[in-house]
Amino acid sequence: AQTVTQSQPEMSVQEAETVTLSCTYDTSESDYYLFWYKQPPSRQMILVIRQEAYKQQNATENRFSVNFQKAAKSFSLKISDSQLGDAAMYFCASGNYGGSQGNLIFGKGTKLSVKP
Amino acid sequence: DTGVSQDPRHKITKRGQNVTFRCDPISEHNRLYWYRQTLGQGPEFLTYFQNEAQLEKSRLLSDRFSAERPKGSFSTLEIQRTEQGDSAMYLCASGGDPYNEQFFGPGTRLTVL
Repeated sequence: AQTVTQSQPEMSVQEAETVTLSCTYDTSESDYYLFWYKQPPSRQMILVIRQEAYKQQNATENRFSVNFQKAAKSFSLKISDSQLGDAAMYFCASGNYGGSQGNLIFGKGTKLSVKP
Repeated sequence: DTGVSQDPRHKITKRGQNVTFRCDPISEHNRLYWYRQTLGQGPEFLTYFQNEAQLEKSRLLSDRFSAERPKGSFSTLEIQRTEQGDSAMYLCASGGDPYNEQFFGPGTRLTVL
């Protein structure tokens, strides 16, 4: 069974600074994909960034980038130039290729606060 | 169509009552997922549809839970004989490609008194 672990329940960052959120996962699958989702307070979950396990290159989306270490089963999210609007719960998730699934396994989340 | 919608947004019910939630996915998406999220936890998978076929159900989905997706469009999730432990946020997500992004709705927050 797949598991996703986020060891940081809460993190805080100063506006304009950089913060890294940690995520480790465990899977027996050879093909899988990983996501970071953002859930602002009382708002719906939106995708931040996505990484296919077969790709060695780390994904980047503007101020967001990941450090994907496949052997270590680590998938951290780096937020550069943090903004007040980045304050939210961040969830790491994994999913499998193939079959009839595609459902995601989520970690417990990290609550990010951004200080002005 | 601007995204996934869910109705109602909030539901308060008494223990033992039945409740039904609705999810309208993004129109071109053939995959639809239901998740449950309790306070301080990430979403947990409940069930999955590809078009009108329910292809997978989690062990979390007890016999009191049933989901449908008639004609492969909107979906309903019914909980019979609600219990206090059913109190949670119920999230719906849709997607077109299983390897890509799932788009989430705003959720239905259920409170069972």
